[in-house]
Amino acid sequence: DIQMTQSPSTLSASVGDRVTITCRASQSISSWLAWYQQKPGKAPKLLIYKASSLESGVPSRFSGSGSGTEFTLTISSLQPDDFATYYCQQYNSYFIFTFGPGTKVDIK
Amino acid sequence: EVQLVESGGGLVQPGGSLRLSCAASGFTFSSYAMHWVRQAPGKGLEYVSAISSNGGSTYYANSVKGRFTISRDNSKNTLYLQMGSLRAEDMAVYYCARASGIYDYWGQGTLVTVSS
Repeated sequence: DIQMTQSPSTLSASVGDRVTITCRASQSISSWLAWYQQKPGKAPKLLIYKASSLESGVPSRFSGSGSGTEFTLTISSLQPDDFATYYCQQYNSYFIFTFGPGTKVDIK
Repeated sequence: EVQLVESGGGLVQPGGSLRLSCAASGFTFSSYAMHWVRQAPGKGLEYVSAISSNGGSTYYANSVKGRFTISRDNSKNTLYLQMGSLRAEDMAVYYCARASGIYDYWGQGTLVTVSS
């Protein structure tokens, strides 16, 4: 099975900061990577798919990059609504997808 | 508008069984694979099970293989998860999600509590 890791596990930042989260896959997944945002008590929300494609309606301050085994999610200027937990997810494996352990972005 | 509404969660004793349902609307249910994803209290997201659009293929995480069964009724636009031999570690919020590789729509989740 493909394993996913994320770093850091927790990130403290201020409004206006540029934030970068890294996700690594245990083997190449090409660009089959998505990013989700989750707030407490809510279902995850899709932000980025195919490593760098922005989901409709998602603010342009979110961007994704990478391919193969290393990927990043960048928030160019952190907004109050962005304090949440972020998960990467690979969908290279047919029908068996795996998530990273999550990165919590909290207020510095 | 796409909607996924889970039901069937609740309190069950260790070793017990429970069936979750996910009612879908707003899209052609029979055209999409569907997945179950869970989240234990304070933990991350975990893939549980998947089923192809016609129900002919099913997949399970190793942690639930042999204990859980995923199924669907395309005539009723409903996804199911039959859970058996439940353990404390199965306690979680269970989400159904529409899958096209990515999970573009999720339900609100249903809580399964495993406790004596």
